[in-house]
Amino acid sequence: QVHLQQSGPGLVKPSQTLSLTCAISGDSVASKDAAWNWIRQSPSGGLEWLGRTFYRAKWYTSYAPSMKGRVFIKPDTSKNQFSLQVTSVTPEDSAVYYCAGQGEAASLDSWGQGTLVIVSS
Amino acid sequence: VLTQSSLSLAVRPGEPASISCRASQSLLYSNGHNYLDWYLQKPGKPPQLLIYLGSNRASGVPDRFSGSGSGTDFTLKISRVEPDDVGVYYCMQALQTITFGQGTRLEIK
Repeated sequence: QVHLQQSGPGLVKPSQTLSLTCAISGDSVASKDAAWNWIRQSPSGGLEWLGRTFYRAKWYTSYAPSMKGRVFIKPDTSKNQFSLQVTSVTPEDSAVYYCAGQGEAASLDSWGQGTLVIVSS
Repeated sequence: VLTQSSLSLAVRPGEPASISCRASQSLLYSNGHNYLDWYLQKPGKPPQLLIYLGSNRASGVPDRFSGSGSGTDFTLKISRVEPDDVGVYYCMQALQTITFGQGTRLEIK
């Protein structure tokens, strides 16, 4: 059973960088059968995929085209976790952020508890 | 783009329910799998996987839930709705960059 535990601040000032971490237990961030994703949910309820990282003999990372240039996802093998950074945030980046594990069937079969992030001065 | 047929649905306990999801492009890959999943999000919780690859129930999901469809048209059916089934149902495609449907809220009459 994979368990994902999120951590990070819930309040970020405009123009600053949002940083969240997702710690993995029950699997490895370097698993050759998994990928590790970040998704956010706007106040209106819509779900938006932000990007993912995975290891297949080397590390791969992909991002949603709408977020390219502002989103960075990085694995940390020493702590078995992965992180999200969103730069130059605006109030429109206020959302609940989730990390999620993706198995061989490409489904998101494990989720973090969610972190509400508000962008406000 | 994934389009769910309705934004909300009200069903009496014990009655069936059906939610449709239409994709703008085929989700059928050359390996024969349809990369379409269904999730249920209960209030204050993350989405939970119900159905993967179009028609496979995730571990622990009651057999009241079933998924069907191929290509661009998919359906989630609940044979007998129970009060615990309330929440928002999302379809999601993973064939290309992951996208979600807009969600369908299920309420009990």
